Amino acid sequence: AQKITQTQPGMFVQEKEAVTLDCTYDTSDQSYGLFWYKQPSSGEMIFLIYQGSYDEQNATEGRYSLNFQKARKSANLVISASQLGDSAMYFCAMRKRGSNAGGTSYGKLTFGQGTILTVHP
Amino acid sequence: DADVTQTPRNRITKTGKRIMLECSQTKGHDRMYWYRQDPGLGLRLIYYSFDVKDINKGEISDGYSVSRQAQAKFSLSLESAIPNQTALYFCATSETGREAAEAFFGQGTRLTVV
Repeated sequence: AQKITQTQPGMFVQEKEAVTLDCTYDTSDQSYGLFWYKQPSSGEMIFLIYQGSYDEQNATEGRYSLNFQKARKSANLVISASQLGDSAMYFCAMRKRGSNAGGTSYGKLTFGQGTILTVHP
Repeated sequence: DADVTQTPRNRITKTGKRIMLECSQTKGHDRMYWYRQDPGLGLRLIYYSFDVKDINKGEISDGYSVSRQAQAKFSLSLESAIPNQTALYFCATSETGREAAEAFFGQGTRLTVV
């Protein structure tokens, strides 16, 4: 079974500083994908970044980057130059990659508990 | 218009009542999901469907049922609502066959069972 753990219930950062949100995962699969989502106070879920388990380079999307350490089973999100609008809940998620005979377990997204990020001016 | 639409957006219902949450999508995706969000627990998968004829239970399916009426529609029912089903419910969709395919979420339905 897949399990995602986000150990930081809340994080604080000063505007314009960088912040790292932790995510560790537990899976016996060799192929999987890792995702980060942002949930502002308005409630919608916004996709931020994706990392494949076989990707050789860490994923980057603008101010977001993913510090992927496969051996440690961690996929931490780094937000550089924090902005007030980055204040939100952040979720790490994982999905098995590839297909199996039954096909029914491939594709479901398993989420962590979330981290609330507050950016101070 | 949103790609993934949930109705209603907010609902208050009484214990024991049957309630249906509806989800429709214009993404053309085969895969659809229902999650519930509770504080401190993240999003937990209730049911998922990989095509119209494929329905699977998630980790917390007890007390819920679903119906995939068409590729674009996936409904979640609470047969007899109870207070601990008070939560924020999300419908989501994703593509088939693309490994990096992210899930697209609806706006959420805030359900309160009193």
